[in-house]
Amino acid sequence: SAVISQKPSRDICQRGTSLTIQCQVDSQVTMMFWYRQQPGQSLTLIATANQGSEATYESGFVIDKFPISRPNLTFSTLTVSNMSPEDSSIYLCSVGGQGNYGYTFGSGTRLTVV
Amino acid sequence: GDSVTQMEGPVTLSEEAFLTINCTYTATGYPSLFWYVQYPGEGLQLLLKATKADDKGSNKGFEATYRKETTSFHLEKGSVQVSDSAVYFCALWPLGSSASKIIFGSGTRLSIRP
Repeated sequence: SAVISQKPSRDICQRGTSLTIQCQVDSQVTMMFWYRQQPGQSLTLIATANQGSEATYESGFVIDKFPISRPNLTFSTLTVSNMSPEDSSIYLCSVGGQGNYGYTFGSGTRLTVV
Repeated sequence: GDSVTQMEGPVTLSEEAFLTINCTYTATGYPSLFWYVQYPGEGLQLLLKATKADDKGSNKGFEATYRKETTSFHLEKGSVQVSDSAVYFCALWPLGSSASKIIFGSGTRLSIRP
C-alpha cells in the first residue's frame, strides 16, 4: 500500500491566520482525500482532490475556508483559512479506495488555534 | 444510506482480558469491511479487513469475521496488552462505485490497565 508523508505533524496557530498542510504520497494516485477529526470524534470527510480538477467538497465545507491544491498525482495541500478555535482538530489526508485495499492515512496534523 | 454502528466507549479492561468491540453495518450489496486503529497522537492505521462474507481478517492477535447474516464485523482479541490502548474505528467501503467513500463508525476508545 502507499506510504504517505504529512506535515506539519502539529502546530499552534493564532486565530485569524492560515495554515497549509502538505501530503506527499510515494506513488501516483488518482484521488486523495482530506478528513477532519474533531476532539473525541470520528472522521469527517472534508473534500476529495483529483489531479487536474477542482476538489469536491462535502456538505458543510467550502473552498474559501479549506482551499485545496492538487498539482500532480503524488501531492496535495489543504489550507485552513482564517482560523478560529473551532478549527482545532486533527487533519488527515488519505489515499485509496481502489479494489479491496482499503484506505491509507497520513499520520495527521494536530492543529490548535488559540 | 450506508452506515456503521459501533460499540460506545470507553472500554477499560485489565491486561490479558478478552476483548470484543461490536460493529454492525447497514449497506446495500457487499461492502468491504475494515478495522482501523489510532494510537495516541497518531493517524489511522489499517488493522485488518475482510472483503466478502465469512472472510476473517486478522492481524496482531486481533480478529474479525464478516457476518452477512447478522451484518456484523465484531473485533476480538484473546488477551489484550497495555500497548493495545487506542481508539478503534470500524469502517465500510461500499463497492460497485468509484465515487463511493469509506464510512467510519464513531470509534471506541480502549484502555488497558496493567
